[in-house]
Amino acid sequence: GAVVSQHPSRVICKSGTSVKIECRSLDFQATTMFWYRQFPKQSLMLMATSNEGSKATYEQGVEKDKFLINHASLTLSTLTVTSAHPEDSSFYICSASLRGAAYEQYFGPGTRLTVT
Amino acid sequence: AQTVTQSQPEMSVQEAETVTLSCTYDTSESNYYLFWYKQPPSRQMILVIRQEAYKQQNATENRFSVNFQKAAKSFSLKISDSQLGDTAMYFCATRGSWGKLQFGAGTQVVVTP
Repeated sequence: GAVVSQHPSRVICKSGTSVKIECRSLDFQATTMFWYRQFPKQSLMLMATSNEGSKATYEQGVEKDKFLINHASLTLSTLTVTSAHPEDSSFYICSASLRGAAYEQYFGPGTRLTVT
Repeated sequence: AQTVTQSQPEMSVQEAETVTLSCTYDTSESNYYLFWYKQPPSRQMILVIRQEAYKQQNATENRFSVNFQKAAKSFSLKISDSQLGDTAMYFCATRGSWGKLQFGAGTQVVVTP
């Protein structure tokens, strides 16, 4: 299967600062990338869908000004958590695919964010 | 809208035995896909098996097989000859025409020696 990387794997930041998480598809061009959030012992919750070259579509209840998503190229999407607070501490996972339901989603290894 | 229900929070099984995980779903789409994903302690999501809803034949991948009952909107996963490496959280998921995955709450499978 295709490989998706995330960087960093772990990050600790202070409350009020911003942190950027990168998601890269290493061996294919991903027209669509998805960002998920996962709390301990819970399921994955979709935050937003980003298509290359267009604005991300956010799920209901997700603050688009807090979680900035950029999908500037077919191999890179970034999630920036702005003015982070302790409640933003979570595990963030990205996935990448070609556009359309028939195509597989390939998941990154996730990023653990801790806000102190 | 899509919803996925996994009613078993945790299942324990001995090595070499068989365990079946239940999943029911609801969707308004006529063309959709169903998946089982595994998330081991590393937290990397791994695709276990997929099923196209228009296919009546149940999917099989080595020791993993599904029982897809479309009319009942049921999609259970059977793990045969369980191995210690099968210990993980298992998520059932649906995916519709927009490509978005909807996950169930998950079932923690613990394989004991």
